[in-house]
Amino acid sequence: DTGVSQDPRHKITKRGQNVTFRCDPISEHNRLYWYRQTLGQGPEFLTYFQNEAQLEKSRLLSDRFSAERPKGSFSTLEIQRTEQGDSAMYLCASSLEVGSATNEKLFFGSGTQLSVL
Amino acid sequence: GQQVMQIPQYQHVQEGEDFTTYCNSSTTLSNIQWYKQRPGGHPVFLIQLVKSGEVKKQKRLTFQFGEAKKNSSLHITATQTTDVGTYFCAPLSAGGGNKLTFGTGTQLKVEL
Repeated sequence: DTGVSQDPRHKITKRGQNVTFRCDPISEHNRLYWYRQTLGQGPEFLTYFQNEAQLEKSRLLSDRFSAERPKGSFSTLEIQRTEQGDSAMYLCASSLEVGSATNEKLFFGSGTQLSVL
Repeated sequence: GQQVMQIPQYQHVQEGEDFTTYCNSSTTLSNIQWYKQRPGGHPVFLIQLVKSGEVKKQKRLTFQFGEAKKNSSLHITATQTTDVGTYFCAPLSAGGGNKLTFGTGTQLKVEL
């Protein structure tokens, strides 16, 4: 499978616990995005990387959220001290961009569904 | 900041009827992409529009970009049950950074 893969597909956790999700983008893609989606809403931007550099992070994003892409390949998204409001589908997407502009389509993974009890 | 409204929020049609969803921005856009998300699935890229007044067609789907590059539409002719899903516009604001923001989407249901 040469698409974007995310792990795990589902995660159930108790409030206050930390969780970490992984995303493996399409191998030659230099750009990687994290989005969050709740039922009936569009994907909400969280952060994105160009290679290993985190170029932008949503101002609405709590400090409990952190993302890394240490070698410019896979990425992890960690949520510390989870809250019930963090329950959502976390989507990863990748693209191959030439330059700094955004001109290319995003390829999405199947997402990680997080449920915080 | 950029505000994007997508209307309608929901649309139920009989198979064979046409369908249109509109995406309106408060700011001028560099480009706009459209995605489709099937129930239980993830967003899948449909098209990108870049030029003012651009019109692109994909079989029964017609995409338009407004002359002022502040709005866009997706029109489906003679809907089929395979068109069921939520259609999102994802505009890129001119001078507004490089992240794609997604509209609220239009959920399409097609009845036989």
